[in-house]
Amino acid sequence: GQNIDQPTEMTATEGAIVQINCTYQTSGFNGLFWYQQHAGEAPTFLSYNVLDGLEEKGRFSSFLSRSKGYSYLLLKELQMKDSASYLCAVRDSNYQLIWGAGTKLIIKP
Amino acid sequence: SQTIHQWPATLVQPVGSPLSLECTVEGTSNPNLYWYRQAAGRGLQLLFYSVGIGQISSEVPQNLSASRPQDRQFILSSKKLLLSDSGFYLCAWRASLGGGSGYTFGSGTRLTVV
Repeated sequence: GQNIDQPTEMTATEGAIVQINCTYQTSGFNGLFWYQQHAGEAPTFLSYNVLDGLEEKGRFSSFLSRSKGYSYLLLKELQMKDSASYLCAVRDSNYQLIWGAGTKLIIKP
Repeated sequence: SQTIHQWPATLVQPVGSPLSLECTVEGTSNPNLYWYRQAAGRGLQLLFYSVGIGQISSEVPQNLSASRPQDRQFILSSKKLLLSDSGFYLCAWRASLGGGSGYTFGSGTRLTVV
């Protein structure tokens, strides 16, 4: 079967750095996405990785290792507004997105 | 620029009543359209997707149906709602071409079946 694993919940301090991991087992791989979802709102696109390595976008970076079936989202200089759920999703060989359950990130002052 | 509209934002419906949720996309042609459901604390479950007018693929057998009467319109329906249909429903689109095109979601409909 297809599976996306990410931690259920993480806590970090304002101004710090946090890394959210995602491991996947899917039938084929055509890219990995990270989305941010604030409570009660729709997910919004953060990043896309299809090749191994690090993609940086301001305070957010995403890393991919296809051989290990592993990705992480790195958030730097955490702000209170970063409190949200972070969803990892993999596009499989049929070009359908398989979603993880999300990681709820709690930022403390 | 492209925008996606989804309504209503919240809905409380009795068991056995019908359902119609509508989603429209502006500023693009021939988008791929999706209906997802998200239960509390769970991941997104793909319900239906469409790559063109009148073309619907169903991922999960259930009492819901979808239709795409126009290129940029996607409708989610049910003839008789069940309690288990409660959840957060999300419409999404992505460009037909382009590997890095992420999905853009509508604002969602919170459905409570009572």
